[in-house]
Amino acid sequence: NAGVTQTPKFRILKIGQSMTLQCTQDMNHNYMYWYRQDPGMGLKLIYYSVGAGITDKGEVPNGYNVSRSTTEDFPLRLELAAPSQTSVYFCASSKGQEGGYTFGSGTRLTVV
Amino acid sequence: AQSVTQPDIHITVSEGASLELRCNYSYGATPYLFWYVQSPGQGLQLLLKYFSGDTLVQGIKGFEAEFKRSQSSFNLRKPSVHWSDAAEYFCAVGMDTGRRALTFGSGTRLQVQP
Repeated sequence: NAGVTQTPKFRILKIGQSMTLQCTQDMNHNYMYWYRQDPGMGLKLIYYSVGAGITDKGEVPNGYNVSRSTTEDFPLRLELAAPSQTSVYFCASSKGQEGGYTFGSGTRLTVV
Repeated sequence: AQSVTQPDIHITVSEGASLELRCNYSYGATPYLFWYVQSPGQGLQLLLKYFSGDTLVQGIKGFEAEFKRSQSSFNLRKPSVHWSDAAEYFCAVGMDTGRRALTFGSGTRLQVQP
């Protein structure tokens, strides 16, 4: 039972570099999400997807991009990394809104 | 847009004491309501959820929560806290229209004293 798998777990980026955070789920969930967590701020929604080929912006999408070519995968792309993107990133999936989310274990990203 | 407020940033209770964590939401209709728990360095785990029916819901680890429409609240309770309950707790609200994603509160960190 893998659930939601995120890679990498930790990463240090230099300002201006790019990277992709990977997220894969094996539960055949239609809904997938990316959140960032900053101390004292809870989780803020970056992007979400209600199915393959469909993505939409959340509260804090600037500086990020996503794609959803398959049901299983929902990668998050950071272009031109900035110190403000230092955060813990969580991917989650759900069957529907009422079922609650299954979260990955997170990616801790530091931009220096 | 919906919003969630957790007024208590940090709570300390003694082991064996009762616990209540507060959550208030702002939304016109009845939303879906959730409580999640996060242990240090971990992802979030679902404790319980409410979307219709009985307003008192039971969850895992002995937790329960009560939906009070008149107060727009969904407070989390536990009759007797264990040291292993020390963690951060998040309330979240969702809806079945518009943006189909949960909005999370800022969290309450629970410390348990021996």
